[in-house]
Amino acid sequence: DAGVIQSPRHEVTEMGQEVTLRCKPISGHNSLFWYRQTMMRGLELLIYFNNNVPIDDSGMPEDRFSAKMPNASFSTLKIQPSEPRDSAVYFCATHRGRDEKLFFGSGTQLSVL
Amino acid sequence: EDQVTQSPEALRLQEGESSSLNCSYTVSGLRGLFWYRQDPGKGPEFLFTLYSAGEEKEKERLKATLTKKESFLHITAPKPEDSATYLCAVRDLGYGKLTFGQGTILTVHP
Repeated sequence: DAGVIQSPRHEVTEMGQEVTLRCKPISGHNSLFWYRQTMMRGLELLIYFNNNVPIDDSGMPEDRFSAKMPNASFSTLKIQPSEPRDSAVYFCATHRGRDEKLFFGSGTQLSVL
Repeated sequence: EDQVTQSPEALRLQEGESSSLNCSYTVSGLRGLFWYRQDPGKGPEFLFTLYSAGEEKEKERLKATLTKKESFLHITAPKPEDSATYLCAVRDLGYGKLTFGQGTILTVHP
């Protein structure tokens, strides 16, 4: 089991461009979380999926952010249009079976210029 | 709303100098309190889960304890490789999200 895999590891883009972050969760999970980490605000939950259905998206900052989970093996977080204040590290995390702890990917470092 | 406050924000220790990190929390119903370690450029890595006041968990030089309002991460005789950011998080009785504190940046000098 390769764990949670995120891509790309680093993304540099210009303001106004569309950005898509990808996550391949641990097999056998039933939940997926997207978190954002900044120095100012720490780790913040953006959205939670259960059985591929969005359950809590109250942390999504605004309509520029959208997330999808078309199947149990893949999720995307899209920002359109991107802004400099979106610069952060974005993490994907899942549970593994009945294990209550979250397993995190290595994150995507996003820089919007 | 669940809240987690960690202190200090940063801690510098000499190798072998024991100390403690604090995590204060407010939660409507505690399902579990989690400690994670995060190294630069990596995602948080799980250390411990504590479920009830009075519980303690140990792993190498780390020991985590829990009361009804706070948790401590005790570091005994730390080594430079213990340098990292330590994150505390709470899980309430809901669907399983973790609410994180801001973290404590620990630096251990040889």
